[in-house]
Amino acid sequence: GENVEQHPSTLSVQEGDSAVIKCTYSDSASNYFPWYKQELGKGPQLIIDIRSNVGEKKDQRIAVTLNKTAKHFSLHITETQPEDSAVYFCAASTGTDSWGKLQFGAGTQVVVTP
Amino acid sequence: GAVVSQHPSWVICKSGTSVKIECRSLDFQATTMFWYRQFPKQSLMLMATSNEGSKATYEQGVEKDKFLINHASLTLSTLTVTSAHPEDSSFYICSGDRVDEQFFGPGTRLTVL
Repeated sequence: GENVEQHPSTLSVQEGDSAVIKCTYSDSASNYFPWYKQELGKGPQLIIDIRSNVGEKKDQRIAVTLNKTAKHFSLHITETQPEDSAVYFCAASTGTDSWGKLQFGAGTQVVVTP
Repeated sequence: GAVVSQHPSWVICKSGTSVKIECRSLDFQATTMFWYRQFPKQSLMLMATSNEGSKATYEQGVEKDKFLINHASLTLSTLTVTSAHPEDSSFYICSGDRVDEQFFGPGTRLTVL
């Protein structure tokens, strides 16, 4: 089955700096890669996703890149703000072939200090 | 759009009792819903996949007779934890699938005394 590894486990950045979180996956059939933000005591919130037919996607301060050959994808947050502090999870899925089941990474605790 | 609600948001129960958690997709129809469990400072662990009108598919190691899942309509799935024990205390989260994207509910904190 799919295995997703996520690094780093914790990330401290100064407000205004950039944050990068990296994930690798094992199943070459995976074709959907979402990123979720989870605040304490809440459910995960989808912040951006990318499908295997594109290499990069951007939404304001957030971007995701995908390298299918190397089987890794990354989340980039620019101009970080204190409200970006949360746990971020990457995930991978083979789509409808498995009812869209997601395999999650272990999570990255991001702390943005003013 | 793509809002999922859960009820209750938290529940405390005595050991041996059963607890039902509801998951609703408010503005879309979810043919497939998923149930996850999350322990403190850990990732989400998929418990089961629920398809509307059919039996749920449980992940390895998840007791189907203990965690009863019903997906009676395209907007409602329920998880019943039967004969709950303290080790079942956890954060339970559901999600609804909309065109291969999963949208998560706010979670239910279960504490079993």
